[in-house]
Amino acid sequence: NAGVTQTPKFQVLKTGQSMTLQCAQDMNHEYMSWYRQDPGMGLRLIHYSVGAGITDQGEVPNGYNVSRSTTEDFPLRLLSAAPSQTSVYFCASSRTSGAVGNEQFFGPGTRLTVL
Amino acid sequence: GQQVMQIPQYQHVQEGEDFTTYCNSSTTLSNIQWYKQRPGGHPVFLIQLVKSGEVKKQKRLTFQFGEAKKNSSLHITATQTTDVGTYFCAGRGLWSSASKIIFGSGTRLSIRP
Repeated sequence: NAGVTQTPKFQVLKTGQSMTLQCAQDMNHEYMSWYRQDPGMGLRLIHYSVGAGITDQGEVPNGYNVSRSTTEDFPLRLLSAAPSQTSVYFCASSRTSGAVGNEQFFGPGTRLTVL
Repeated sequence: GQQVMQIPQYQHVQEGEDFTTYCNSSTTLSNIQWYKQRPGGHPVFLIQLVKSGEVKKQKRLTFQFGEAKKNSSLHITATQTTDVGTYFCAGRGLWSSASKIIFGSGTRLSIRP
């Protein structure tokens, strides 16, 4: 199993550009989530999904869109990049969203810089 | 909304000293998880606590969940250089969306050999 994969590893955008961060997992996990990590801010939840076709907002959803058309994939779209979105983005998945089997497995991250 | 706070933000210890990080939630939690992130790496799951007052041990690491299920701690005995990294707690609210997991800001541990 490859686990949770993310592409690209690094990305530089200009203000106003749009792009999609890819996330895939091959563990048949039900739950997937996106976090951003900024110095001193920990991991902040952007969006999450409890299954294909179901998504919901986290703590900091503005400026980001997600969709979950398959169990495996959970792409994160930046609609119009802003310098405030410069961050490291982590995708994570867990077997369930319930009380058992909900430990999250993280991908290696995407380091995004918006100029 | 639900907030999870962690203290201290940084801790620098001599190798062999003990280390503790504390996690406090603004709301009652259904469970709490702990993760470790090595420098340049991604968070890795350590443990989950579910029951009020629960204590779990992993070798030199001791995890506690408060009686009110609003706070938790991680204690490392006799730190080693392999313990370097940032430790995060992550809580799932009891009354809010059960699927929303909120992370604390983390405690970065550095060690003097």
